[in-house]
Amino acid sequence: LAKTTQPISMDSYEGQEVNITCSHNNIATNDYITWYQQFPSQGPRFIIQGYKTKVTNEVASLFIPADRKSSTLSLPRVSLSDTAVYYCLVGDSRAGNMLTFGGGTRLMVKP
Amino acid sequence: NAGVTQTPKFRILKIGQSMTLQCTQDMNHNYMYWYRQDPGMGLKLIYYSVGAGITDKGEVPNGYNVSRSTTEDFPLRLELAAPSQTSVYFCASSTGTGWSEQFFGPGTRLTVL
Repeated sequence: LAKTTQPISMDSYEGQEVNITCSHNNIATNDYITWYQQFPSQGPRFIIQGYKTKVTNEVASLFIPADRKSSTLSLPRVSLSDTAVYYCLVGDSRAGNMLTFGGGTRLMVKP
Repeated sequence: NAGVTQTPKFRILKIGQSMTLQCTQDMNHNYMYWYRQDPGMGLKLIYYSVGAGITDKGEVPNGYNVSRSTTEDFPLRLELAAPSQTSVYFCASSTGTGWSEQFFGPGTRLTVL
């Protein structure tokens, strides 16, 4: 299984841009990179997905370098409501449909 | 659409008891998944299904069983509950392969005493 490594926790302040980097050295050619957000007592929620270069949607941007061994989730101008756990996942086609949720990054946004 | 629904929301079991966690989705998704999440940890895949009648083991299948008789339903059976199965259980569904967006249910919080 393609394993991911991301920081355990991060702190930020309202209005700042937050960048969370994920390492996935064993990513396979057909794998996509997906980020999920999880609030306490809720199931994870899809944020963004990409294969290479840059992807942007209404809530975040995803930057993926050419070697695809890492990716960075960028949250512009965070608010208190962005306090959550963020998971980086790599779709491992070699292992069928199994996805591995690592420990995630606990983002704390302070006023 | 209700999305993914799970019942019950909370349950307390005694050691050795059995129960079934229910999961239903109304999005006509072929793929369904069961995860468990221990306090402060990430999610671990228990079982998944790629369509009615087809199931496969995930990372932590021991102590659990599943069935998939319809597209909509994917129940998870706990036999002989143990304290190590105290966790929050999430059901999810998606349209396709592992890199498709997964839609999660609200979870079932299970305590085994």
